[in-house]
Amino acid sequence: GENVEQHPSTLSVQEGDSAVIKCTYSDSASNYFPWYKQELGKRPQLIIDIRSNVGEKKDQRIAVTLNKTAKHFSLHITETQPEDSAVYFCAASNQGFKTIFGAGTRLFVKA
Amino acid sequence: EAGVTQFPSHSVIEKGQTVTLRCDPISGHDNLYWYRRVMGKEIKFLLHFVKESKQDESGMPNNRFLAERTGGTYSTLKVQPAELEDSGVYFCASSRGETGWFFGSGTRLTVV
Repeated sequence: GENVEQHPSTLSVQEGDSAVIKCTYSDSASNYFPWYKQELGKRPQLIIDIRSNVGEKKDQRIAVTLNKTAKHFSLHITETQPEDSAVYFCAASNQGFKTIFGAGTRLFVKA
Repeated sequence: EAGVTQFPSHSVIEKGQTVTLRCDPISGHDNLYWYRRVMGKEIKFLLHFVKESKQDESGMPNNRFLAERTGGTYSTLKVQPAELEDSGVYFCASSRGETGWFFGSGTRLTVV
């Protein structure tokens, strides 16, 4: 069946460094790729998303890239801060309906 | 606008008992989804409502799980009888359409 692989499962960076989280999807019909951030004890929150007709999208320190041919998409966080520490989930969706999430990446930003 | 609300936030029940989880989506959101995260693993899709109709229930693990959305507003997810492996965090999310989903805070279910 369809799946989304997310790597790494844990990522530890020094404050100010960049963090990159990668996801690979299998369903070629996927056309919408959101990223969620879940802080401890809180609900997952959408932080950025990208559609299949776009290769890259940026919002301040956060950027997402998409390679449809390779079925890869990645989250890039620059100038990381301690408050970026959380679990990040990627997802691949077909028209917003069939949605599959990655297993999550726990990001630690050390001050 | 008010967010997606879920009730209860925590539930501890014994194996064999019944539990009903409730989700109130954002007003006007026709799409309502149930997800489950077990033991720190990935968030798994359970089912999707469009208004009161089940659009996709392919993620429902077995017939012990029953979801309803009468009137197309709030939704309930009933587990009967509960088993140990049903423990996890159950998330509800809603959306208007294809845009990003808004999640509730989740219900942490523990079956003992």
